[in-house]
Amino acid sequence: AQKVTQAQTEISVVEKEDVTLDCVYETRDTTYYLFWYKQPPSGELVFLIRRNSFDEQNEISGRYSWNFQKSTSSFNFTITASQVVDSAVYFCALSGSGYNFNKFYFGSGTKLNVKP
Amino acid sequence: DAGITQSPRHKVTETGTPVTLRCHQTENHRYMYWYRQDPGHGLRLIHYSYGVKDTDKGEVSDGYSVSRSKTEDFLLTLESATSSQTSVYFCAITGQGGTDTQYFGPGTRLTVL
Repeated sequence: AQKVTQAQTEISVVEKEDVTLDCVYETRDTTYYLFWYKQPPSGELVFLIRRNSFDEQNEISGRYSWNFQKSTSSFNFTITASQVVDSAVYFCALSGSGYNFNKFYFGSGTKLNVKP
Repeated sequence: DAGITQSPRHKVTETGTPVTLRCHQTENHRYMYWYRQDPGHGLRLIHYSYGVKDTDKGEVSDGYSVSRSKTEDFLLTLESATSSQTSVYFCAITGQGGTDTQYFGPGTRLTVL
């Protein structure tokens, strides 16, 4: 069965602190895809990153970085020098192959509060 | 931004009434999805479609039906709305090829009194 766990329900930090959002997944598929989405207070869902199971390279995009570790089934998201505009709910998602092809499974989300 | 619209954006209805939500895309994408979002549950898949007239159930499909008669439109129907169906509903699409990125519509806030 496909499952995504975001154990951190809510995190509060002060601006300029670094923060890591955890994502642990379960799948039996050998080919799968992992995603992160951001949902700001306005409510829309914004795509941040897509990673396939064969690419374990970490990725950095500005203040955002992602650490994919197959050995621990984790795909963690770090925001460096957080800003108030980073306040949002962040979702991790998983999609697979075979029966799970193009089916997406979401974690319950982590609400990040960045205080000035 | 992916061309996805949802209508209505907000709706208040009464228990027992039928409700239809519409998702419209201009991307000609094959796959379309309906999710509901509730506090503490993230996004849960209701139904999805992999082509015109091809649909399948998701994890929370009870009480919902869908139809897709055209590539661009995916309708979600609550035959007899209940208060437990009060939620925010999101439509999403993915591209033509292999597992592609999923893009979301703006959401519909439904309140069932």
